[in-house]
Amino acid sequence: KNEVEQSPQNLTAQEGEFITINCSYSVGISALHWLQQHPGGGIVSLFMLSSGKKKHGRLIATINIQEKHSSLHITASHPRDSAVYICAAYGGAQKLVFGQGTRLTINP
Amino acid sequence: IAGITQAPTSQILAAGRRMTLRCTQDMRHNAMYWYRQDLGLGLRLIHYSNTAGTTGKGEVPDGYSVSRANTDDFPLTLASAVPSQTSVYFCASSDEVGVTQYFGPGTRLTVL
Repeated sequence: KNEVEQSPQNLTAQEGEFITINCSYSVGISALHWLQQHPGGGIVSLFMLSSGKKKHGRLIATINIQEKHSSLHITASHPRDSAVYICAAYGGAQKLVFGQGTRLTINP
Repeated sequence: IAGITQAPTSQILAAGRRMTLRCTQDMRHNAMYWYRQDLGLGLRLIHYSNTAGTTGKGEVPDGYSVSRANTDDFPLTLASAVPSQTSVYFCASSDEVGVTQYFGPGTRLTVL
């Protein structure tokens, strides 16, 4: 069992739909990161959170420390949101453990 | 230079050859990292450096070495490349360990 698991692995939706990507982790963490990998390969950090919720534009990230679970939501999804979304758990000792990613495709 | 850069963008290499992947950042970040990304396995940490002059081993360090002579540069060397080192390599940096990491554009390496 991976220490960080994401679901679903692949998600296809229509433009405008509300998107949820889930991340569960088994390690004790001090922070959880959400990253976006563009179709061209570049990786951008979206959020780092250790509790509660963070919002940036149409993106919302939540974390429940007790349940060891985080979600990334996208409201009013758009084709430009198509990317691979990666969660990563930071448990200390330089160890950032990555999930395998969720490939999101938004069709117009 | 703006942010973090990697060179080369891509490389095809014969097995047994020595190769150095370059990484340079201009953000004066203390911590730097090398990851490899393989299909189905996600990103895995190869080596890291918390500050200039120090390095440490990550999850998959075998066959790789790094140095951190100054704050800006963090080269990754494959002493004798093998086909299993075919991957996309990402360099990243952060102001301190555990906080937001900034990624370079990646180097696609093919070892034949």
